[in-house]
Amino acid sequence: DTEVTQTPKHLVMGMTNKKSLKCEQHMGHRAMYWYKQKAKKPPELMFVYSYEKLSINESVPSRFSPECPNSSLLNLHLHALQPEDSALYLCASSQDLGRGIVYEQYFGPGTRLTVT
Amino acid sequence: QKEVEQNSGPLSVPEGAIASLNCTYSDRGSQSFFWYRQYSGKSPELIMFIYSNGDKEDGRFTAQLNKASQYVSLLIRDSQPSDSATYLCAVNYGGSQGNLIFGKGTKLSVKP
Repeated sequence: DTEVTQTPKHLVMGMTNKKSLKCEQHMGHRAMYWYKQKAKKPPELMFVYSYEKLSINESVPSRFSPECPNSSLLNLHLHALQPEDSALYLCASSQDLGRGIVYEQYFGPGTRLTVT
Repeated sequence: QKEVEQNSGPLSVPEGAIASLNCTYSDRGSQSFFWYRQYSGKSPELIMFIYSNGDKEDGRFTAQLNKASQYVSLLIRDSQPSDSATYLCAVNYGGSQGNLIFGKGTKLSVKP
């Protein structure tokens, strides 16, 4: 089973709201990722967690705050977003980060975020 | 600069034909190569991954890797209309851990 789940599927929020995106996997994977994808563009990496520790932060603005409560869960807390942050937010997981090679990443269905 | 290049297409092939999708990358240190399929409005779905030079086959899909030429391709045999999607090539960069760089994708259209 290569399933990654994400909630909610759609989210509309105002610029003053605080919301959270959730991601869950039960594949025993130890690396989890957040990506942002704008229309007709490839996914862009935001954060990487390895063994529940933040491994990579790709210079993401502080209005995005990731959290990894345990090895199966990944959250993305959103606060004071801008309309240009509207995008598809994708969660992915992999066995772990790998050494030399990179293990395959499996994506969840994504959360379509609209900031008004 | 880390680059993964793909022809944006659209690539149009008739049903039953072989579709050939190509990708080049700039870093000779790259060791892991992935192909994802993405339908409009959906998330990327892993199709193939390859680590070693040569061919890797899975059903109707074959991934080909040539590290000397910094080239990876995906062949889809007996193309079906349901294969119509955008195909994303993703490459890791030497020394990076988990950081994939995606190409902009090739849009494939399979005509019945």
